[in-house]
Amino acid sequence: DGGITQSPKYLFRKEGQNVTLSCEQNLNHDAMYWYRQDPGQGLRLIYYSQIVNDFQKGDIAEGYSVSREKKESFPLTVTSAQKNPTAFYLCASSIDIEGTTEAFFGQGTRLTVV
Amino acid sequence: SQQGEEDPQALSIQEGENATMNCSYKTSINNLQWYRQNSGRGLVHLILIRSNEREKHSGRLRVTLDTSKKSSSLLITASRAADTASYFCATDAGTASKLTFGTGTRLQVTL
Repeated sequence: DGGITQSPKYLFRKEGQNVTLSCEQNLNHDAMYWYRQDPGQGLRLIYYSQIVNDFQKGDIAEGYSVSREKKESFPLTVTSAQKNPTAFYLCASSIDIEGTTEAFFGQGTRLTVV
Repeated sequence: SQQGEEDPQALSIQEGENATMNCSYKTSINNLQWYRQNSGRGLVHLILIRSNEREKHSGRLRVTLDTSKKSSSLLITASRAADTASYFCATDAGTASKLTFGTGTRLQVTL
């Protein structure tokens, strides 16, 4: 099946720990994104990558880091510098066809700080 | 910052009624898209409208775009309980640009 897979679905982190959220896609998409969603709110862009070995900060990049060593993978690390990491994290990939960009989303990872 | 703002934030209707939600954005766009999110899940693409289009239909969905007002509307006709979800608009400014999402409208369809 083609798609975008996030793991784990639920993640618990102790304060002061770094955690890494996985995002893998087999759609051969060039671009990948990480969004954060807080309860009852919209999506805020954390980081995005348009091509392998390159990524850009989004609107709320502080306290997060990413890598894009492979086209298929775009892991997100939530560092201890992120003061309020409890949220729902969504990964997406997209491809541009004839000037349009349609995003495909994973099912999300719910991160809770305990 | 958010590019799009949806209105209303929440909408509650009865099954069979039509649901209309609006999206306003700030800068010039190439395309505008609508996505749906069931509670606790990822987003699913519904429909895309290009900046040179004014209206588009897909099944029970009707989307309009007014670039002069920088706004779009999504109409769901003959709503069903299964339409209960949050709906987001997303804009992009051109090829290979990042998508920017609005704040969403939470739709509740009751029997």
